[in-house]
Amino acid sequence: SQQGEEDPQALSIQEGENATMNCSYKTSINNLQWYRQNSGRGLVHLILIRSNEREKHSGRLRVTLDTSKKSSSLLITASRAADTASYFCATDRSNYQLIWGAGTKLIIKP
Amino acid sequence: EAGVAQSPRYKIIEKRQSVAFWCNPISGHATLYWYQQILGQGPKLLIQFQNNGVVDDSQLPKDRFSAERLKGVDSTLKIQPAKLEDSAVYLCASSLLGQGGYEQYFGPGTRLTVT
Repeated sequence: SQQGEEDPQALSIQEGENATMNCSYKTSINNLQWYRQNSGRGLVHLILIRSNEREKHSGRLRVTLDTSKKSSSLLITASRAADTASYFCATDRSNYQLIWGAGTKLIIKP
Repeated sequence: EAGVAQSPRYKIIEKRQSVAFWCNPISGHATLYWYQQILGQGPKLLIQFQNNGVVDDSQLPKDRFSAERLKGVDSTLKIQPAKLEDSAVYLCASSLLGQGGYEQYFGPGTRLTVT
């Protein structure tokens, strides 16, 4: 079953611009994680935000979480060609599993 | 630290044939996951192991898929017989203890094509 839904499905921006992706989910969570997948490095963990946190930063990444709206956003600032990838949000289940969305495909144009 | 290893990287088989995938998780990671990822979709959990015990295999098509994790380290996933709809990337991931809040580390995956 799919818990998270990313929006938009695809996003194309110019290098240097900021990219924002959103994730909505249906049931209460303990934490939400964002992952990136590209052909070069496979599926890689980016950031984890817990349900009692509202915002978290990691380098050029900024994640927000609004548990009242059951949504999260991932902001990538000053995008680079290497950011071209699919981005997935994943929410936890009680038995230590992750439920994945279908992802946002991000293309950075030079 | 070595990452999650998977082999083979690519496999092409005909329908009704059998295939096996191998995974070696990060040393010390008790929890191991097998996922199926169809093109354009997110990963779908097939089976989760905690050490050498199965935690959840509710989405594993047990009439054709089987998996084992002997000695709580390496794992193999087998499909027999394969169907066209099994064409996908099979991802193995591991995490520390499987407790909530831990990230999952993924292998490079095995791309399976069933013709």
